Amino acid sequence: EVQLVESGGGLVKPGGSLRLSCAASGFTFSSYSMNWVRQAPGKGLEWVSSISSSSSYIYYADSVKGRFTISRDNAKNSLYLQMNSLRAEDTAVYYCATPGAYGDYCDYWGQGTLVTVSS
Amino acid sequence: EIVMTQSPATLSVSPGERATLSCRASQSVSSNLAWYQQKPGQAPRLLIYGASTRATGIPARFSGSGSGTEFTLTISSLQSEDFAVYYCQQYNNWPLYTFGQGTKLEIK
Repeated sequence: EVQLVESGGGLVKPGGSLRLSCAASGFTFSSYSMNWVRQAPGKGLEWVSSISSSSSYIYYADSVKGRFTISRDNAKNSLYLQMNSLRAEDTAVYYCATPGAYGDYCDYWGQGTLVTVSS
Repeated sequence: EIVMTQSPATLSVSPGERATLSCRASQSVSSNLAWYQQKPGQAPRLLIYGASTRATGIPARFSGSGSGTEFTLTISSLQSEDFAVYYCQQYNNWPLYTFGQGTKLEIK
């Protein structure tokens, strides 16, 4: 059974930093790209960042480029999101998600971790 | 950026009736379109990928259609557990996913 468990969320002041983690199990983590998607309170879904299986290719939404860094440790079956220079508009539930077997849709999702940026 | 527009924003339907949700892309995404269901406090759940293929475990009352720029999600006979928010997503130009703004399906 595929499981994705996010952690690391919390309350942080504007300008602060936070590191999110996503622990994966139930599939061959090292064979798949991975994604971070966020959802602000009461709002829709927004893609944040993606990383290829070997970390060769990394992509960011314009809204986080230069502030967030995605990474992975295939030996630990873990995905990370280092978030720096946080802003109020980064307040959201952050989900990690796997791609599908037949395309780059988001097949499995974690339960999410809430990041609140507030003074 | 490909913009995804869903309509209506809110749809009120009675249990047992049919619901039709629409999603339009600002440019062609071929059949690279997915639908998700999200209930309060839960992560999104994949329903449909490839515009019309049901994900594992998704009941047959859910069906997707369309290609190019116009897509439809149909729920043939609404059950109580189907009332939720539904999102479409294009993945034609991975990883620059874009999602629609969502349609809230509520009980009439």
